[in-house]
Amino acid sequence: QVQLQESGPGLVKPSQTLSLTCTVSGGSISSGGYYWSWIRQHPGKGLEWIGYIYYSGSTYYNPSLKSRVTISVDTSKNQFSLKLSSVTAADTAVYYCARTAVSGTTYYFDYWGQGTLVTVSS
Amino acid sequence: SSELTQDPAVSVALGQTVRITCQGDSLRSYYASWYQQKPGQAPVLVIYGKNNRPSGIPDRFSGSSSGNTASLTITGAQAEDEADYYCNSRDSSGNHPFGGGTKLTVL
Repeated sequence: QVQLQESGPGLVKPSQTLSLTCTVSGGSISSGGYYWSWIRQHPGKGLEWIGYIYYSGSTYYNPSLKSRVTISVDTSKNQFSLKLSSVTAADTAVYYCARTAVSGTTYYFDYWGQGTLVTVSS
Repeated sequence: SSELTQDPAVSVALGQTVRITCQGDSLRSYYASWYQQKPGQAPVLVIYGKNNRPSGIPDRFSGSSSGNTASLTITGAQAEDEADYYCNSRDSSGNHPFGGGTKLTVL
């Protein structure tokens, strides 16, 4: 059973960089076949896909966040990470990491972390 | 357009059938996936592809697609199905937008 766990600061100051890590257990990122995504949810709102990474390091980002987002992978630790720069209060959200599977013309998030709330405030 | 549109709220009587829809141009090229989210919990995948259910998802959940519309159907809705439901699909630019979500109330 694949499990994902987010970790990182729960409070970030405005203009600083938000940094989160997702640790994967029960499966190896480097085995390939899956993308590894970050998704967020503003309080009381819907879900927003941030971007994903393949074990090789290939990335794709949501165009609306692309200028501020960096996703990286550390296969030796079976982890992938999110950095979001120049944060504002509008980046306050629950951040989820998720495994992304592909089957033909279907992409889907089959395993999710529990989520971690990040608040941007001085 | 990469947007996916869902009705904000839908209600169903206990034991009846309900359909939740998701509209968007990307659905003409890519299948949707559907997620159930209960308060304070992470989303859970319930349907993906043409009509595939992950292990552990009851068979009262089913999916379908026609043109630019994907549908999630719950046949014989139960009280525990009350939740928010989100659709998601890849679009032609490689983005993966979610629909705005549908709040399902079981009466």
